[in-house]
Amino acid sequence: ELKVEQNPLFLSMQEGKNYTIYCNYSTTSDRLYWYRQDPGKSLESLFVLLSNGAVKQEGRLMASLDTKARLSTLHITAAVHDLSATYFCAVDIQGGSEKLVFGKGTKLTVNP
Amino acid sequence: GAVVSQHPSRVICKSGTSVKIECRSLDFQATTMFWYRQFPKKSLMLMATSNEGSKATYEQGVEKDKFLINHASLTLSTLTVTSAHPEDSSFYICSALRRGRTQYFGPGTRLTVL
Repeated sequence: ELKVEQNPLFLSMQEGKNYTIYCNYSTTSDRLYWYRQDPGKSLESLFVLLSNGAVKQEGRLMASLDTKARLSTLHITAAVHDLSATYFCAVDIQGGSEKLVFGKGTKLTVNP
Repeated sequence: GAVVSQHPSRVICKSGTSVKIECRSLDFQATTMFWYRQFPKKSLMLMATSNEGSKATYEQGVEKDKFLINHASLTLSTLTVTSAHPEDSSFYICSALRRGRTQYFGPGTRLTVL
C-alpha cells in the first residue's frame, strides 16, 4: 500500500523567511504532484514532477524530486502572506493510473 | 486552463434522503473522472474512478451501493449519496482526466446532512 508522508503538518513562519516542506512516499512512482488548497476551496495545481532530479520553480515556490530517496521538497523563499494555504503532495498509486494518494497536507501560515 | 465544474457547490439535506452531485468537464472530454472525499482539515481520499460507458471502480472500504456513480457522457459524471446520514457530511471533490494524464479538479461540493 502506497503511503505518502508530509512534514511538517503545520508551519507558521514570518514573512521574508525561507522554509521547506517534505514529502516522502513508500513505493516507486513516476509522478509526484504538489497542490495548493485555500480554505473552503478545491485544489490548485502547482507542480508536476516527472523524473529524478526534476526541479520546477514558480515565483517563491520551488519543487524538487529525488526518486531514489522517494522524496520531494517544496521550498518557500522569502515567504509572503499570500502563500498562506494548505499544501498537499500526491503520488500516482499505480504508475500511469492517475489514481492519487495524497499526503495529509501542510497548513502554512505566513505572519506579517 | 481546463475547467471542471461541480453542482451544487453546497447542499444541506435531511437524513435519509439522497443527494446527487454533478461533475462536468466544460472544455474537454474526459473518459475518466475521479471522486474524492475530504473531511474537515484532513486530506483527500480517493473514493472511486468513474469511467465513461462502464461501471465505476471503487476503492477499498467505499460502499458502492451508498455512493452511486454514473458517467453517462464524456463530460459528465454524477455521484449520488443514497440514504444520506450525518456521517456522510463532507467535502466532495471530483477531478477529470485530460489526455490521459493531466488531472483537473472541480471546485468541490460541501454536503451537510442533518
